Amino acid sequence: DADVTQTPRNRITKTGKRIMLECSQTKGHDRMYWYRQDPGLGLRLIYYSFDVKDINKGEISDGYSVSRQAQAKFSLSLESAIPNQTALYFCATSPGHGNEQFFGPGTRLTVL
Amino acid sequence: AQSVAQPEDQVNVAEGNPLTVKCTYSVSGNPYLFWYVQYPNRGLQFLLKYITGDNLVKGSYGFEAEFNKSQTSFHLKKPSALVSDSALYFCAVRDRADTNAGKSTFGDGTTLTVKP
Repeated sequence: DADVTQTPRNRITKTGKRIMLECSQTKGHDRMYWYRQDPGLGLRLIYYSFDVKDINKGEISDGYSVSRQAQAKFSLSLESAIPNQTALYFCATSPGHGNEQFFGPGTRLTVL
Repeated sequence: AQSVAQPEDQVNVAEGNPLTVKCTYSVSGNPYLFWYVQYPNRGLQFLLKYITGDNLVKGSYGFEAEFNKSQTSFHLKKPSALVSDSALYFCAVRDRADTNAGKSTFGDGTTLTVKP
């Protein structure tokens, strides 16, 4: 079984709809992250969390919100989706500051 | 602020030849440096990292990278490329002193194509 899972893997929705992307991990890591990937722009950090009570904005948090329901679960919400939020979204975990990140398989979101 | 530059969008090499994927970085303090690989329709996978110590770091699948502090570079290398190495490669940097943030900054990625 994968250590970091994301649901759904693909989603097509319409402008104005509320969308939730979910991430679960079995690695026991405290740190979790949400990124979006756009062609030619690399990965940009949306939100990150160091534990259940710690949520921090990344570089592109506008239009997004998150919830850390448990150590193992970190959800990303788009309250009112817009077309320029069409992207590939990745969840990642890390055990600590000097450590690498472990990525989920991604969610491809299309907003029409 | 920290930043990463991958100056080449695309690198093409022939199978069996050595490959280099370039990365330069900027941080206010000392860096943690990482390389990741992304295959089509997959998440990023960790290849190797520089934390401290030896400037030459060896990682997965025969890849290595050399940390050069004076040139602020961390180029990814492999002595003999395989067709299966074709993928998108990302360099990432984190400021070692910024423990409260723990944020990595990623480059824009370099597409490596290895031709038979």
